[in-house]
Amino acid sequence: EAGVAQSPRYKIIEKRQSVAFWCNPISGHATLYWYQQILGQGPKLLIQFQNNGVVDDSQLPKDRFSAERLKGVDSTLKIQPAKLEDSAVYLCASSSRTDTQYFGPGTRLTVL
Amino acid sequence: AQSVTQLDSQVPVFEEAPVELRCNYSSSVSVYLFWYVQYPNQGLQLLLKYLSGSTLVESINGFEAEFNKSQTSFHLRKPSVHISDTAEYFCAAENTGFQKLVFGTGTRLLVSP
Repeated sequence: EAGVAQSPRYKIIEKRQSVAFWCNPISGHATLYWYQQILGQGPKLLIQFQNNGVVDDSQLPKDRFSAERLKGVDSTLKIQPAKLEDSAVYLCASSSRTDTQYFGPGTRLTVL
Repeated sequence: AQSVTQLDSQVPVFEEAPVELRCNYSSSVSVYLFWYVQYPNQGLQLLLKYLSGSTLVESINGFEAEFNKSQTSFHLRKPSVHISDTAEYFCAAENTGFQKLVFGTGTRLLVSP
């Protein structure tokens, strides 16, 4: 069974630029999560989807971050415009209704 | 709201020595508990989990953790560590049925020869 796929693995941009990350969850997993992991900290949930609907986006900085999950499968997370403090690893995870969350390899974003 | 505390940011240990990584959670409601491991430049991998039943859970590579409800703890232990166990370990909690994980700040395990 293929795991959670993410791309790109690394991205370097300058502040005020925009960036997008892509996630393909494990086949059949209805729930998809995006986390932000700042260096030295644990992952923090940004947004949770159930199929293509948003369940929780209370910690998503909506003035600059957006996410969508079209057709309830793949998802994209966008930052526009990026700030220095957005430098982090962005992790995507997926789960079935009653199972554990499985994580992708992450995208390491550096904002200069 | 649920919170998870990992008091040790770094634990240095010699190869073949025992190790314990501490984790405490805050919520008094029914909770699921997890340990994830993160190797450099990789995502998180599930190490073990407690959902219900036996309070002692084990992983395939020799780690174990014990759910202690009275002390709200879920410490991770291994009787003899290997160099390859060097990684960051994250404890996480989920209030039953909510599918939302709250992570601790992580403990870096450094195993030296």
